Amino acid sequence: DQQVKQNSPSLSVQEGRISILNCDYTNSMFDYFLWYKKYPAEGPTFLISISSIKDKNEDGRFTVFLNKSAKHLSLHIVPSQPGDSAVYFCAASGGPGGSYIPTFGRGTSLIVHP
Amino acid sequence: DAGVIQSPRHEVTEMGQEVTLRCKPISGHNSLFWYRQTMMRGLELLIYFNNNVPIDDSGMPEDRFSAKMPNASFSTLKIQPSEPRDSAVYFCASSLDRQQPQHFGDGTRLSIL
Repeated sequence: DQQVKQNSPSLSVQEGRISILNCDYTNSMFDYFLWYKKYPAEGPTFLISISSIKDKNEDGRFTVFLNKSAKHLSLHIVPSQPGDSAVYFCAASGGPGGSYIPTFGRGTSLIVHP
Repeated sequence: DAGVIQSPRHEVTEMGQEVTLRCKPISGHNSLFWYRQTMMRGLELLIYFNNNVPIDDSGMPEDRFSAKMPNASFSTLKIQPSEPRDSAVYFCASSLDRQQPQHFGDGTRLSIL
């Protein structure tokens, strides 16, 4: 049973436009959320995070939005660049006993076309 | 600034052989994690260590898998005997502590024939 779901396996976007990657979670005890980016033949790289006490966190072109009532978070990339083409993993931690170990989604492959 | 270093990058071996994957975490990081990535199950946590002590090994699939962390700068994941269904990419990650974002190595692509 997946506690963190990324329902879109892939997303294709034109350079300069906005990329929106979505993530849903089922465990209402999760209180810390992260996005990782992964290029082929490399390990995931931490991108941005958000605590459940916030609903938005911004870092340059990357913004993460959290909707706790809907158990949904999204990553916005504006403007999208070809170098953003990668697999993006959503992860969540917290829960009973305060587990800090993140649970990962399956990933969304983003392709940004020049 | 060296990141997490894993070796080997690729391993191809025959079923029944022992496989040892190695990981050097970032210096000063107290937590170390081993993950396995497959198409079927995505990225799943196998085991994690805090201050060299195994804290949670509930993700280790079966007794054929074992992991050790003899000191703060080295960890191994061993599969004995290996089976074709163990074929996957294995990642090691470390973090300053378990609450901080993890830094991943580039993984070991394991193929068991």
